Amino acid sequence: AQSVTQLDSQVPVFEEAPVELRCNYSSSVSVYLFWYVQYPNQGLQLLLKYLSGSTLVKGINGFEAEFNKSQTSFHLRKPSVHISDTAEYFCAVNLNTGFQKLVFGTGTRLLVSP
Amino acid sequence: EAQVTQNPRYLITVTGKKLTVTCSQNMNHEYMSWYRQDPGLGLRQIYYSMNVEVTDKGDVPEGYKVSRKEKRNFPLILESPSPNQTSLYFCASSLGGGPDTQYFGPGTRLTVL
Repeated sequence: AQSVTQLDSQVPVFEEAPVELRCNYSSSVSVYLFWYVQYPNQGLQLLLKYLSGSTLVKGINGFEAEFNKSQTSFHLRKPSVHISDTAEYFCAVNLNTGFQKLVFGTGTRLLVSP
Repeated sequence: EAQVTQNPRYLITVTGKKLTVTCSQNMNHEYMSWYRQDPGLGLRQIYYSMNVEVTDKGDVPEGYKVSRKEKRNFPLILESPSPNQTSLYFCASSLGGGPDTQYFGPGTRLTVL
């Protein structure tokens, strides 16, 4: 069965600093990879996803992620964060089948301070 | 506006009192899912539906029921709620399977006393 590990439960960072949120997955078959963001008191919304092709994926709000098959990782990065990026970020995987079953990591809370 | 709606947004109830959380989407999506979010555990899938009258268990289905009589609606039913079902619940929908983006509702915070 596939699983997702987000090692950092919380990442504090200063405004305008770069940030990387780590995500590792395990699966014996090919997967689709997603990053979702949850702003306070809201539902989740898609930041970006990797389906195939280029391993560098660009998403909304200046975020990007790189798929590394050999390391089974899909880390999320932003070169310069804003206060408004304060939120919880979830990495998720879905098996490469016609089936809709997302498996989520436990989430990383990004705290951006001035 | 394309959206997934859930009602109620907040609910406090007592053990054993049956309740239903409604979910509706206006995007003509085939797939719908229910998740629960608990601190330190992320989101876990409760049930999902691939189309009308087609539902199946997710990872944590115990104590829950669902139905899909219409494409737009996917209610979550707790027939005899217990305190361990206190959680934040999200409904989501997507056009199709694996690679498709899931669109989430705003969440329902349930407290069972």
